[in-house]
Amino acid sequence: NAGVTQTPKFQVLKTGQSMTLQCAQDMNHEYMSWYRQDPGMGLRLIHYSVGAGITDQGEVPNGYNVSRSTTEDFPLRLLSAAPSQTSVYFCASSYSIQQETQYFGPGTRLLVL
Amino acid sequence: AQKVTQAQTEISVVEKEDVTLDCVYETRDTTYYLFWYKQPPSGELVFLIRRNSFDEQNEISGRYSWNFQKSTSSFNFTITASQVVDSAVYFCALSEELRGGSQGNLIFGKGTKLSVKP
Repeated sequence: NAGVTQTPKFQVLKTGQSMTLQCAQDMNHEYMSWYRQDPGMGLRLIHYSVGAGITDQGEVPNGYNVSRSTTEDFPLRLLSAAPSQTSVYFCASSYSIQQETQYFGPGTRLLVL
Repeated sequence: AQKVTQAQTEISVVEKEDVTLDCVYETRDTTYYLFWYKQPPSGELVFLIRRNSFDEQNEISGRYSWNFQKSTSSFNFTITASQVVDSAVYFCALSEELRGGSQGNLIFGKGTKLSVKP
């Protein structure tokens, strides 16, 4: 098992550009989520999904879109990047929504100029 | 509102010292889960422990131990005989009840940066 994988590892964007952060897991996990980590802020939830076709907003969803067409993949889309979206993004997954332990991907470092 | 407070922003100790990282939480849920994660300098998040709200037994895993006290809403983490490899940011997290009543998302504290010097 590769676990939770994220691509790219690092990305630089210009303000206004769009991009998709990829997240995939090969553990047949139902639950997947995206967090952002900013200095001194801990991790904050952006969006989550409890299964294919089902997504919902977290604490800081503005400026981000998600979809879950398959169990394995949960991409995060930045529609029009802003400097405030400079952050480290983590994808996580767990077997079910009943609070199984969440396992995190290695993170994507995003810089928006 | 649910909240996790890690009051210690940074701690510095000398190798072989014991160190305790504090975590205080707030929740209205009767069923919830508490977690600790480690983030070493390489940046990945490593799961350390999960504890549910009905199990107040302390847990020990090698040099690591956890003290869960519901009466004070605390879930503290102690490293005994610290080592340089323990240097990392440690996050405490609380599960949040989703719509429909199940437990799902995590609410993180802001983390405690532990530096262990040789």
